[in-house]
Amino acid sequence: QKEVEQDPGPLSVPEGAIVSLNCTYSNSAFQYFMWYRQYSRKGPELLMYTYSSGNKEDGRFTAQVDKSSKYISLFIRDSQPSDSATYLCAGRYSSASKIIFGSGTRLSIRP
Amino acid sequence: NAGVTQTPKFQVLKTGQSMTLQCAQDMNHNSMYWYRQDPGMGLRLIYYSASEGTTDKGEVPNGYNVSRLNKREFSLRLESAAPSQTSVYFCASSGGSAGDQPQHFGDGTRLSIL
Repeated sequence: QKEVEQDPGPLSVPEGAIVSLNCTYSNSAFQYFMWYRQYSRKGPELLMYTYSSGNKEDGRFTAQVDKSSKYISLFIRDSQPSDSATYLCAGRYSSASKIIFGSGTRLSIRP
Repeated sequence: NAGVTQTPKFQVLKTGQSMTLQCAQDMNHNSMYWYRQDPGMGLRLIYYSASEGTTDKGEVPNGYNVSRLNKREFSLRLESAAPSQTSVYFCASSGGSAGDQPQHFGDGTRLSIL
């Protein structure tokens, strides 16, 4: 079993919709959680970085962590075609430990 | 503002050839990393360097060597390339005293081994 699991998609939604991207993880020792966005033929870029459970909002993006169920979510409000990319979730045990990545979910926003 | 720069962007090798992938960062970060990304597998850590002068194995180090040339540069070497090493390779760096800041990635090197 992979430590971080994501549905690979593709997920296709119309412009303006609310998008929900989800991950599960297996190790309860994870304390830090990240979402990266990766455009085609580019490197991943950090979207959200959170510690422990709870919500974090940044513009149209909200990251949610539920440690009791080992579930990580990213919500995108008012989705735009420019949000079309692969989204990688990740976790780490401590602030300095290795990052464990999920395999990514491909998202397509239809104009 | 270059961030993390990787060279080359593309390369095709024959089985058994050797090659060095170059990575440089201009953010004065202590820690640097090499990952490979394969379909369905996500990003897997090959080697990392927590600080200048140190290197450690990651999840998939076999067939690779690294050199932390100085604080800015971290190279990845394939001594005898194999088709299983066909992949997209990403270099990343992070700040903080122990790499505890988020990682910043380069745009990758697409390597094909025939």
